[in-house]
This record gives sequence, C-alpha cells and structure tokens, in this order.
Amino acid sequence: NAGVTQTPKFQVLKTGQSMTLQCAQDMNHEYMSWYRQDPGMGLRLIHYSVGAGITDQGEVPNGYNVSRSTTEDFPLRLLSAAPSQTSVYFCASSSTQISNEKLFFGSGTQLSVL
Amino acid sequence: DQQVKQNSPSLSVQEGRISILNCDYTNSMFDYFLWYKKYPAEGPTFLISISSIKDKNEDGRFTVFLNKSAKHLSLHIVPSQPGDSAVYFCAATLANAGGTSYGKLTFGQGTILTVHP
Repeated sequence: NAGVTQTPKFQVLKTGQSMTLQCAQDMNHEYMSWYRQDPGMGLRLIHYSVGAGITDQGEVPNGYNVSRSTTEDFPLRLLSAAPSQTSVYFCASSSTQISNEKLFFGSGTQLSVL
Repeated sequence: DQQVKQNSPSLSVQEGRISILNCDYTNSMFDYFLWYKKYPAEGPTFLISISSIKDKNEDGRFTVFLNKSAKHLSLHIVPSQPGDSAVYFCAATLANAGGTSYGKLTFGQGTILTVHP
C-alpha cells in the first residue's frame, strides 16, 4: 500500500515563482490536509478538505491555494513564492472509519525559497 | 498564541530507563489528544491517543496520562529503546457540534528524544 504520496521530495524556488505540491492517497479517506513544519513551531495547518469539492482554511492559509477535484488528490499551490514559505510541507489524510484524528502523513516536501 | 506547548526541546535517556515527555495545553475545549513520532526524512506517524474523558491509556511500552485540571499530558515510554530516538509531537483536536474534528490537529513544537545504548 502506498498510503499518502507526496511529490516532489525537494524543491528550490526563486521568490515570485509558482509551483504545485502534489499529494495523493489510495486509502479512500474523506479528510485530507496540508501542514507545514517549521523549527520551534511544530506543525501548523494550512488548508484542509472534508471531501471532493470542499476545502477550508487552516491556521496559516495565506499564500496558498488548494482544490480537491477527486477523493484521492489534494494539491497545494504556491501562487508567488516568498522566503517565508521555506518549510517542510506534509500532506495527511484520515477517515471517520478509523478515527478522523489519526492522520496518515506523507513523507514530506522540503521547499526552499531563495 | 501556541495552544499546545512542549516546553522541553530535547530529552536524553539511557536505554532501559523511562522516558517522560510532557505537553501542556491552554484550550480546555480540546477533547482528544494524540502523540505522533517522527523520524528524519519521514512523515509523523501516530503513536497513541487519549480521549478527554479518560486519564490514562496504555499500549505496550507507551502510556499516555491526562491531567485535565492541570491541562497537562505526558507520554511514558518504558523501557526506552534506541529505536525510540525520534521527535515526538503532542497534538490536540476540537470536535465540532457533529462530533468530528475533520482531522484538524493543533500540534506542539516537538521534543527530540535520544535514547543512548
């Protein structure tokens, strides 16, 4: 089982560039979310989705867009990258069938914005 | 304002001894607490959880204690093993009126546990 797959694993961007971080899960989970991990800050919620076509903002949504056209995919878009978005990004999924609090995480994308 | 805090950035323990990781929270409405473990270059993985209506949950070598009056929880690992060396994150959730949190967790800063052979 692949679980939650994130691509790319590493990315370097220049300020102002845009890019999309990909996330796919093969567990048919209803809920998906994006977190960023920064030193001394733990993981902070960027956006989340409760199902295809439904997304909402988390704690730190500014500068990021999401959409969820299918149950499996939940891409995160950086519209105009800024150095403050240098971070490690984790995608996660969960299901009420198990417990919606028990998140399954991808292995992360390390992003550097120069 | 950090609602979930892990005030110890790191903890060093000898193999076979007990590891105690602590976590404090400020929001008394949190109804579910979890611990996640993270190895380098990997995503966090779920370790153990506890509902706010309980004060203890045990799973093998791992036990989580919840003190609601103090807004404090702790993770005990007995006996500690070198493979337990990782970053441990405490997390909390807040269910909505329908009883679900939609997988929205509030995390602490993490504690780096090192278990020496």
